[in-house]
Amino acid sequence: HVQLQESGPGLVKPLETLSLTCSVSDGSVSSTNHFWGWIRQSPGKGLEWIGYIYFIGTTSYNPSLTSRVSISVDTSSNQFSLRLSSVTAADTARYYCARVVGHYSNYGRPHSYYYIDVWGKGTTVTVSS
Amino acid sequence: SALTQPASVSATRGQAVTISCTGTESDIGSYKFVSWYQQYPGKAPKLIVFDVTNRPSGVSSRFSGTKSGKTASLTISGVQPEDEALYYCSSYSSSFEVGLFGGGTQLTVL
Repeated sequence: HVQLQESGPGLVKPLETLSLTCSVSDGSVSSTNHFWGWIRQSPGKGLEWIGYIYFIGTTSYNPSLTSRVSISVDTSSNQFSLRLSSVTAADTARYYCARVVGHYSNYGRPHSYYYIDVWGKGTTVTVSS
Repeated sequence: SALTQPASVSATRGQAVTISCTGTESDIGSYKFVSWYQQYPGKAPKLIVFDVTNRPSGVSSRFSGTKSGKTASLTISGVQPEDEALYYCSSYSSSFEVGLFGGGTQLTVL
């Protein structure tokens, strides 16, 4: 079954850019039935969507983060990545990558999210000088 | 915007417990894409219900989902100590492409 593994620095300085990569095994990021997403969870808080990407490169982002976030996909290495710029202490969280079940359409709204069926174990990122 | 869940619920071992998740006509009220996740401390969430009522393979039949109007519910029948966890609902939204999460409900088994 599909497995996801996050990787990246556990400590980022304020105002710098957080970068994480998710490696996908026993599955393909080129799947036409899935998106590939990032969700975070601040200490003691609930789940927060960051965004997700379809294999062709189209993205959907949380409106509250859209000015700072970028998600990309590399089909050749079967990975997808997150970049979050100008981080502050409020971005300290556990970051999860995930496989998202949804629907892509060439007409109207391109992305429809249904549910998350596979989660990575998560990686903790602390923003501190 | 987030879906509304009670912060905590409790149940005696063997009883049934229901966790509610309230949204709007833009999400739960109009669409069948409600999902529920179980999360233990320090672990990643796990999908336990999708499309309102469906369970992934391997999830106990003690977990069941329903929806009425703008409120979805997760019922755990015959609660066991291992069910003590955080539970999150999520839904498709016509307003937000990334969808919505609830704030989470902590289930305590007495």
